[in-house]
Amino acid sequence: GAVVSQHPSWVICKSGTSVKIECRSLDFQATTMFWYRQFPKQSLMLMATSNEGSKATYEQGVEKDKFLINHASLTLSTLTVTSAHPEDSSFYICSASPDRTTYNEQFFGPGTRLTVL
Amino acid sequence: AQTVTQSQPEMSVQEAETVTLSCTYDTSESDYYLFWYKQPPSRQMILVIRQEAYKQQNATENRFSVNFQKAAKSFSLKISDSQLGDAAMYFCASMGANNLFFGTGTRLTVIP
Repeated sequence: GAVVSQHPSWVICKSGTSVKIECRSLDFQATTMFWYRQFPKQSLMLMATSNEGSKATYEQGVEKDKFLINHASLTLSTLTVTSAHPEDSSFYICSASPDRTTYNEQFFGPGTRLTVL
Repeated sequence: AQTVTQSQPEMSVQEAETVTLSCTYDTSESDYYLFWYKQPPSRQMILVIRQEAYKQQNATENRFSVNFQKAAKSFSLKISDSQLGDAAMYFCASMGANNLFFGTGTRLTVIP
């Protein structure tokens, strides 16, 4: 149990286009989902936290207009990278938590590698 | 604020031997959790072991155990009987009220 999927697993796009990444909890309802970014050979950096039906909470330094997060259902959150540029190329990982009040369990998706040409 | 420090960028261990990965943390939270995650080449983050800060007993999961020193804010991971499949990046992480804070990781190589 506690499986989280991401789609696509990798994507290549042209500079200036937008890319949507989906994160799904397959066998549980995720009241909270998290989006991380990981640069090569570096750690995971939290970008934002989203609760189902609410606006996402972005970490300091993350542009909310560039990285649009939608958590419209208990099993799906999407991250849209708008007007992507080469510096947005990275590995994006989502995680999901079934518990709104205690965040001690996060289940991670397999990640999405974004390459912007 | 929370910080997590992993001072060993790389470690290696002979197959079947034991290795210890270091982690120190700092937090202002009174109630928190500590984690070790494994990230193999597939990039999938896998939870290795979890420790609740209020528990004095060190967590163990089969060949994986931790040495949790709360006063020293130290949380090391011991891998016994190392296997080739243990080769991966290992991230130490802490969680207070909300979010996970990750260390910079330790790349573990297992030598056959």
